Amino acid sequence: AIRMTQSPSSLSASTGDRVTITCRASQGINSYLAWYQQKPGKAPKLLIYAASTLQSGVPSRFSGSGSGTDFTLTIRYLQSEDFATYYCQQYYGYPLTFGGGTKVEIK
Amino acid sequence: QVQLVESGGGVVQPGGSLRLSCAASGFNFRNDGLHWVRQAPGKGPEWVAFIGHDENKKDYADSVKGRFTISRDNSKNTLFLQMNSLRPEDTAVYYCAKDHAVTEDLFDYWGQGTLVTVSS
Repeated sequence: AIRMTQSPSSLSASTGDRVTITCRASQGINSYLAWYQQKPGKAPKLLIYAASTLQSGVPSRFSGSGSGTDFTLTIRYLQSEDFATYYCQQYYGYPLTFGGGTKVEIK
Repeated sequence: QVQLVESGGGVVQPGGSLRLSCAASGFNFRNDGLHWVRQAPGKGPEWVAFIGHDENKKDYADSVKGRFTISRDNSKNTLFLQMNSLRPEDTAVYYCAKDHAVTEDLFDYWGQGTLVTVSS
């Protein structure tokens, strides 16, 4: 199985900050990488797919980059509603696998 | 709008069985692949199973292979997960999710989840 490793596991930030989360795959996955946001008690919400394509309805302050094994999710001008846990997911091959998550907390 | 509503969760003893259902609406159910994804308390999501639009393809995580069976009824817009020989490590919120409209094997809509607790 392809292992997805996220860093950091948590971070503290303030509203208006720029935040960067990293996801590394244990083998090359081209651009078959998605990012999700999850708030407590809710299902994950798709933000980005194909490493950098914004899902419909997602604010443009979210962006993704990378290919191969190293990927980044960036949130510009962090808003109060962005405090949540973020997961990457590879869909290069089965079994589909997720990263361990990055919790973005209020500083 | 797309809706996915899971049901069937509950408390079951180790070795027991449960059948989860997911009622779908708001999209062309018979055209889309569907997944079950679970999330143990305090952990990240774990993909469990996939079924193709006409049941032509099924796949399972190694952790559930041989114990769980995914199926669907396209006439009733419903997805199922039969779970047998349940273990404490199967305790999780179980979500159904549909394949992305453009790209397979990622999830653009999720249900609200149903909690399965395996405990004696």
